Amino acid sequence: DSGVTQTPKHLITATGQRVTLRCSPRSGDLSVYWYQQSLDQGLQFLIQYYNGEERAKGNILERFSAQQFPDLHSELNLSSLELGDSALYFCASSVAATTLETQYFGPGTRLLVL
Amino acid sequence: AQKITQTQPGMFVQEKEAVTLDCTYDTSDPSYGLFWYKQPSSGEMIFLIYQGSYDQQNATEGRYSLNFQKARKSANLVISASQLGDSAMYFCAMRGPYSGGGADGLTFGKGTHLIIQP
Repeated sequence: DSGVTQTPKHLITATGQRVTLRCSPRSGDLSVYWYQQSLDQGLQFLIQYYNGEERAKGNILERFSAQQFPDLHSELNLSSLELGDSALYFCASSVAATTLETQYFGPGTRLLVL
Repeated sequence: AQKITQTQPGMFVQEKEAVTLDCTYDTSDPSYGLFWYKQPSSGEMIFLIYQGSYDQQNATEGRYSLNFQKARKSANLVISASQLGDSAMYFCAMRGPYSGGGADGLTFGKGTHLIIQP
């Protein structure tokens, strides 16, 4: 158990809908990262937050957004869902935001868009 | 841009044998971190080992060691005395600095599917 929690574990929804994925980082970690794992794209970095502020953006679509709250939990919002958004979404956390920090991953949320 | 290459899509290994999983990377940054993660069939990503670009010695964590050859830009994972529970996908990843002074997300390779046979 990494100490990072994600809810829900599974999510099934329809095209065009909007969903919210939730992540709680390990105790003491200030930095939260979101990743998408799909069969065709592999593991891709989406976005990073550090202590409530957006820190870095990766391959995140404009239909997706995220935020980190004062209690440091984070939410990833996916809207206007398409079939291709079906994937395993991971949240990871680290103490700070430097190159040397190990990121610990949550169990992931499996999203299926029908 | 950073890039990770894992050239072995799949490997079959006999139990108790040592395993080497290949990873090469490409970056122009002098400061970077290299990581290996294990993903069992259940789906979670488990951190195994880390190597910093300035570390002089190869990293070791129990049965895992990282064979770091900086000049070759190679960071192979070695698993000694493999066990049935080592069967999983293994991902090599790296992280480098961005201009803001911190670092952004991990860049992952496509992974190696390791199957340990009894």
